[in-house]
Amino acid sequence: QLQLQESGPGLVKPSETLSLTCAVSGASISNDNDYWGWIRQPPGKGLEWIGNIFYTGSTYYNPSLKSRVTISVDTSKNQFSLRLSSVTAADTGLYFCVRIVSTWYRLFDPWGQGTLVTVSS
Amino acid sequence: QSALTQPASMSGSLGQSITIPCTGTNSDVGGYDHVSWYQQHPGKVPRVLIYDVSDRPLGVSNRFSGSKSGNTASLTISGLQAEDEADYYCISYMASVTTTFHVVFGGGTKVTVL
Repeated sequence: QLQLQESGPGLVKPSETLSLTCAVSGASISNDNDYWGWIRQPPGKGLEWIGNIFYTGSTYYNPSLKSRVTISVDTSKNQFSLRLSSVTAADTGLYFCVRIVSTWYRLFDPWGQGTLVTVSS
Repeated sequence: QSALTQPASMSGSLGQSITIPCTGTNSDVGGYDHVSWYQQHPGKVPRVLIYDVSDRPLGVSNRFSGSKSGNTASLTISGLQAEDEADYYCISYMASVTTTFHVVFGGGTKVTVL
């Protein structure tokens, strides 16, 4: 059974870089069918797509975050990562990693449990 | 990133049906049959209800159904139950020759069961 699990610091200082990793178990991240993505949710707000990556390293980012976002993949460890630089309080929220079935974005499943990141000094 | 349009909130009585619209353009919802719907209870992980406009994953109740007409996709919840009170989101593939991303999200609809 495919499972995703986020890990990383729950507290990040303003202007620093948020770094999260998503460990994938139960299937190989190196398949030609799926993207691997990050989605976040500010407190009390809706879902926001951050970006996604193919196992070859091809990346796709939300233009509103593109200048600050880097998503990378480590196929040897079957995991992918998110870095978001120059964070502010507006970056506080729940961060989910997710498998995106098909390059047509057919469905987002499964999701990780989510990790709460707070930006505060 | 352009968002798909969903009503911020909707309500329905126990046992009734409710239909949540998700409006896009002919570059996303109207042009492709890759619309999916998700349910999220407070503090919980989103769960897929519908994909490819109207397909239901195994384990999802047949009270949830999806459809599309023109640039608007819809999620219908039949026989509303208390546990259906949640937030619902639509997501669609989006074609674009000017951008390097191809997905668009709805803003979410909070469903209240009366």
